[in-house]
Amino acid sequence: QSVLTQPPSASGTPGQRVTISCSGSSSDIGSNYVYWYQRLPGTAPEVLIYRNNQRPSGVPDRFSGSKSGTSASLAISGLRSEDEADYYCAAWDDSLSGWVFGGGTKLTVL
Amino acid sequence: QVHLQESGPGLVKPSQTVSLTCTVSGGSISSGGYYWNWIRQPAGKGLEWIGRIHTSGSTNYNPSLKSRLTMSVDTSKNQFSLKLSSVTAADTAVYYCAREVYSGSLVGWGLGTMVAVSS
Repeated sequence: QSVLTQPPSASGTPGQRVTISCSGSSSDIGSNYVYWYQRLPGTAPEVLIYRNNQRPSGVPDRFSGSKSGTSASLAISGLRSEDEADYYCAAWDDSLSGWVFGGGTKLTVL
Repeated sequence: QVHLQESGPGLVKPSQTVSLTCTVSGGSISSGGYYWNWIRQPAGKGLEWIGRIHTSGSTNYNPSLKSRLTMSVDTSKNQFSLKLSSVTAADTAVYYCAREVYSGSLVGWGLGTMVAVSS
């Protein structure tokens, strides 16, 4: 069982806006930055959002992150077929002194 | 751009020790003062952080694995390694390595190496 809680699946049609939630605790999300990783089929995970809401260069502004208290969300607007992937949230956990991850959300573009 | 590639034995017998290596290309493992991480993913489950090692040699291990885990860095080969002892079926997973940069992001993940624990 993963430390951070994500819905196992999400879906949307092209052009729609979808959000993926990530719930944690005071020792992880509540105290530290949240990161989101995208794993496209057959590829290695890549950082999509860092430090709650920052996008690495090359990541479209259709992707956005937010955090409130012990929860975080990833929003994808203008959904495209190429967004179909697995998405993972992560945060540093002060009690573990290590990284914790969510179980991952499989996004399907209908 | 720094890329990482994991390698390992594939199949390990229960109670044995598995050794995995992550080879760094496109940059020196000893420059920049980064942390080098190991993460694993059992089939159908989420990602689990295993631990990390700094270029100085200092380590942080997942408490659930700490008693069985050893990490090391070999700057001459531009590699870092993981040894996990007394493996069981619960250790069957795809193992990934990644570099932790200053923003905290884990970057340059390899495609992973599968470790199956079976007699």
